[in-house]
Amino acid sequence: GAGVSQSPSNKVTEKGKDVELRCDPISGHTALYWYRQSLGQGLEFLIYFQGNSAPDKSGLPSDRFSAERTGGSVSTLTIQRTQQEDSAVYLCASSPVYGYTFGSGTRLTVV
Amino acid sequence: TQLLEQSPQFLSIQEGENLTVYCNSSSVFSSLQWYRQEPGEGPVLLVTVVTGGEVKKLKRLTFQFGDARKDSSLHITAAQPGDTGLYLCAGEGGNNRLAFGKGNQVVVIP
Repeated sequence: GAGVSQSPSNKVTEKGKDVELRCDPISGHTALYWYRQSLGQGLEFLIYFQGNSAPDKSGLPSDRFSAERTGGSVSTLTIQRTQQEDSAVYLCASSPVYGYTFGSGTRLTVV
Repeated sequence: TQLLEQSPQFLSIQEGENLTVYCNSSSVFSSLQWYRQEPGEGPVLLVTVVTGGEVKKLKRLTFQFGDARKDSSLHITAAQPGDTGLYLCAGEGGNNRLAFGKGNQVVVIP
């Protein structure tokens, strides 16, 4: 596709459930990033992929968070045993060299 | 941790007025980018500045990168309602990720 596609666009889940967020980057972009944006906060870095490898996982908030990327393309971010503090907009971006192209995000609400 | 401070956090102006917002840090960045984000959407890249002292113009928007590559400003001339949005600055410090500020929320009143 022409842009970065994220699904679902909105997700409401009960506390304690697992959720999986998906990102389809721009074809040919080798770098892929996950960020989290909470109300009134800046974008918080979560994880970075170069191809299928994740050289930097330092931003993942806890071991409940994991991510993978397959075929150098689609990435999934999984949050296990969701907590209310996980509520945020999860943004995915892909990049050739300079400049990120972001998707529209997944708004996650944990109730 | 590379922190980017953006000021003012919120700015409301009348259509036709000029405005300047700022992005400051104590860290040096190899490049700095500005994005605009509208509600329900992801940030959209406006410009990348790389060289200290660099000035880039994008129609009515003028971006400047500080000589020391630690700060930047965005100036909008004759603001239009379509300029309304959250302006985010982001710096690349060599660790293959961008550090983002919290943004400047700009509202242009018709």
